[in-house]
Amino acid sequence: DAGVIQSPRHEVTEMGQEVTLRCKPISGHNSLFWYRQTMMRGLELLIYFNNNVPIDDSGMPEDRFSAKMPNASFSTLKIQPSEPRDSAVYFCASSNIMGFGETQYFGPGTRLLVL
Amino acid sequence: AQSVTQLDSQVPVFEEAPVELRCNYSSSVSVYLFWYVQYPNQGLQLLLKYLSGSTLVESINGFEAEFNKSQTSFHLRKPSVHISDTAEYFCAVSALNRDDKIIFGKGTRLHILP
Repeated sequence: DAGVIQSPRHEVTEMGQEVTLRCKPISGHNSLFWYRQTMMRGLELLIYFNNNVPIDDSGMPEDRFSAKMPNASFSTLKIQPSEPRDSAVYFCASSNIMGFGETQYFGPGTRLLVL
Repeated sequence: AQSVTQLDSQVPVFEEAPVELRCNYSSSVSVYLFWYVQYPNQGLQLLLKYLSGSTLVESINGFEAEFNKSQTSFHLRKPSVHISDTAEYFCAVSALNRDDKIIFGKGTRLHILP
């Protein structure tokens, strides 16, 4: 298996622009997680899905952030409008089932810079 | 709810010396425990985990961690580190037998000195 795939790997945009990050989980995995990592705040869980349904979006920083999972093989995280403080590395992870000690498999991340 | 505390944000250690990365957790229920590693410019990957049974768990690259329920700790150790161990290490916890999310600590950056 190719593992979790994220695109783009790097994104540079200007403040106010819309940014869309994409994730393809490992085939057969039922749970998908979006994380954000910064030096100041460390690794933060933004939202997670189970069987394509959002379970907990309490980590989404504000209404500018939205995430969708239209099917089991694709998810997007959208920021509109983007701001410089959104600059971070965004990781997508998937797991076979939710919880129960199951391992999460992380993608390589998308490094976002908002100017 | 669960929480994880990693007491050291950075740990410098000489090559071939032993190292211990500390992790304490808090939970009102029994837990699963994990160590994930993040090499430079990569995503996190599982290093080892404790689910049940023997309290000492080992990874394939020489790391080990011991679950200590009375101390609520899950410290990570390696008797002799290599330059390739340079990475950030995250301790994590989730609730036992529940469909719950993993809670990650803030990470410990391991610097290997030549």
